[in-house]
Amino acid sequence: DGGITQSPKYLFRKEGQNVTLSCEQNLNHDAMYWYRQDPGQGLRLIYYSQIVNDFQKGDIAEGYSVSREKKESFPLTVTSAQKNPTAFYLCASRFAADTGELFFGEGSRLTVL
Amino acid sequence: AQKITQTQPGMFVQEKEAVTLDCTYDTSDQSYGLFWYKQPSSGEMIFLIYQGSYDEQNATEGRYSLNFQKARKSANLVISASQLGDSAMYFCAMSPYNTDKLIFGTGTRLQVFP
Repeated sequence: DGGITQSPKYLFRKEGQNVTLSCEQNLNHDAMYWYRQDPGQGLRLIYYSQIVNDFQKGDIAEGYSVSREKKESFPLTVTSAQKNPTAFYLCASRFAADTGELFFGEGSRLTVL
Repeated sequence: AQKITQTQPGMFVQEKEAVTLDCTYDTSDQSYGLFWYKQPSSGEMIFLIYQGSYDEQNATEGRYSLNFQKARKSANLVISASQLGDSAMYFCAMSPYNTDKLIFGTGTRLQVFP
């Protein structure tokens, strides 16, 4: 079945460690996104990519990095520079230049100990 | 600045009744899209309904309808005949024209009781 797969679903890390969240889609979508969700704050855009080998910062990109080497993959690295990384992370995709809806993965919950 | 406002942090509704979730937006663009998503406790985001700014008729999808009032910049979601499974967070979102961004509101938690 077509969809978006995020892994891991739950992740724990110690302060000072980088961690990479995986996002893979088989929907043949051009555009991919990473959102962060905190309680009471809705979804905030971290990074997005419209085509392979290109990506743009969203509203809260500091402390995060991404790559887009393949159309179907858009991994997010939470670096040690991110001051408050504990959150729920959602990956999404849609066809580029389309006003259609975003399709979301099931999310990854990161907890920093 | 482009912004989505959902002023109801929580709503209660009895099963089989209708409920309206409020959403107002702020944009200077003439062309944009409006979306509603449902987020159950499991965390995934489920697309419910879409309204284009130039659509003259209100969008409907089964039990969901969008009450679009362009002059007031509001896009309220109406859920008819509520079911227990409708209990979830609901997010309103806007996509300005010719951008790839979707801007989300802070959400409304809906609880349906028997």
